[in-house]
Amino acid sequence: QQQVKQSPQSLIVQKGGISIINCAYENTAFDYFPWYQQFPGKGPALLIAIRPDVSEKKEGRFTISFNKSAKQFSLHIMDSQPGDSATYFCAATPTTTGNQFYFGTGTSLTVIP
Amino acid sequence: DAGVIQSPRHEVTEMGQEVTLRCKPISGHDYLFWYRQTMMRGLELLIYFNNNVPIDDSGMPEDRFSAKMPNASFSTLKIQPSEPRDSAVYFCASSLGAGESYNEQFFGPGTRLTVL
Repeated sequence: QQQVKQSPQSLIVQKGGISIINCAYENTAFDYFPWYQQFPGKGPALLIAIRPDVSEKKEGRFTISFNKSAKQFSLHIMDSQPGDSATYFCAATPTTTGNQFYFGTGTSLTVIP
Repeated sequence: DAGVIQSPRHEVTEMGQEVTLRCKPISGHDYLFWYRQTMMRGLELLIYFNNNVPIDDSGMPEDRFSAKMPNASFSTLKIQPSEPRDSAVYFCASSLGAGESYNEQFFGPGTRLTVL
């Protein structure tokens, strides 16, 4: 059973456009939501993370929007660049009861020049 | 720090053979995770250790898979006997601890396993 559902599976965006990736979860014990970025041939690396006590977190061109009542969160990449082309994974973890990350299935983003 | 080190980077073997994947976590990290990545299933957690002790191995697909962590700086994932459906990229990751400030997982470069 997939604990975190991620969509879309793939995304193609023009340079300068906005990329949006969505994730949803059911387990209310989750209290920490990181996003990981993976380039071809590399391991995933932490991009940005949020806790549910805030509705938005922004780091440069990357923003996480969080809707606690809907149990949904999303990654927005503003002014998307070809260098952003990668696979993005959302994840969730219950920090008070364990250290296991539940990853989404990933979104392959391609930014066209 | 060199980051998480995995070896080999690529492994090609024949069905039925034993495969051993190796991982050296970042020094000082108390948690070590083994993941499998495929196109169909994404990133799957196989097992994780805390202070060398296996905490959750519910993701290990079957008895053909085993993992050990004999000390804080070394872990192995063994598949015996290997099958073509085991073909995937296997990642090792480590984290400093638990809780928001310490649980960032640092991934190794992965081992691409092909079982013919």
